[in-house]
Amino acid sequence: DTGVSQDPRHKITKRGQNVTFRCDPISEHNRLYWYRQTLGQGPEFLTYFQNEAQLEKSRLLSDRFSAERPKGSFSTLEIQRTEQGDSAMYLCASSFMSRLQETQYFGPGTRLLVL
Amino acid sequence: RKEVEQDPGPFNVPEGATVAFNCTYSNSASQSFFWYRQDCRKEPKLLMSVYSSGNEDGRFTAQLNRASQYISLLIRDSKLSDSATYLCVIPNTGNQFYFGTGTSLTVIP
Repeated sequence: DTGVSQDPRHKITKRGQNVTFRCDPISEHNRLYWYRQTLGQGPEFLTYFQNEAQLEKSRLLSDRFSAERPKGSFSTLEIQRTEQGDSAMYLCASSFMSRLQETQYFGPGTRLLVL
Repeated sequence: RKEVEQDPGPFNVPEGATVAFNCTYSNSASQSFFWYRQDCRKEPKLLMSVYSSGNEDGRFTAQLNRASQYISLLIRDSKLSDSATYLCVIPNTGNQFYFGTGTSLTVIP
C-alpha cells in the first residue's frame, strides 16, 4: 500500500498523559498536514510542513501540541498533558505542491480517547 | 462569517434521485476547490477537484459560481453506495485548507 499511513489507529489514554502519533506520507509528497476532526465537524487544520520546515500553525494549536518532520519524510504529532477535550480523530494528509495544483490525500487517522 | 459553510443535512433521497449540495465560501481570492467524500469513521477521500467553472465525472458534476462564491455538487441517479458525508474544501492563500462541516447523504432503497 503506497498511501498515507498513520500509527497507532486508536489510542486510549488517561488525562495528563503524553501521546505521540506518527504519519508516513506518500513518498514523493513534499507537503504534510495535520488535522483534528470531532464528531459532526469537518477536519480542522492544525499545522503543515513543506519538506522538513513547519510553515504554518493554526491558532487552535495550543502549546501542548508539537509536531515535527525531522527529515522531511514521516512526521510526529505529540500532545502533552492530554485533556478530555483533546479526544478526536487526528488526520494526516500529504500532497505534492506543484505550480498548477495541490491535492491532499488522507491517512486513516488516529482516534484518540482521553479518559 | 465562516470560511466555508455547508448545509449539514441530512439529505435522505430514494435510489435513482438527483441530489445537489451547495457550499459557500468567504475568500473571493480562492482559486481551487475540492469535494471530498467521507464514510462513517473513515478518512476523507477526494471525489472531485474544481479549478475553473466546473468538472464532471460520470454521475457527479461540480460547478463553481465565483460571482456568488459557492460551489455545488450534483449527484445523478443516486446509488445506495453514495451514502456518505460530502465535504467541500477550499484552500486559502496561506495554504490552509478549510473544510466545511459536511453534508450527510443517505440514499434509501
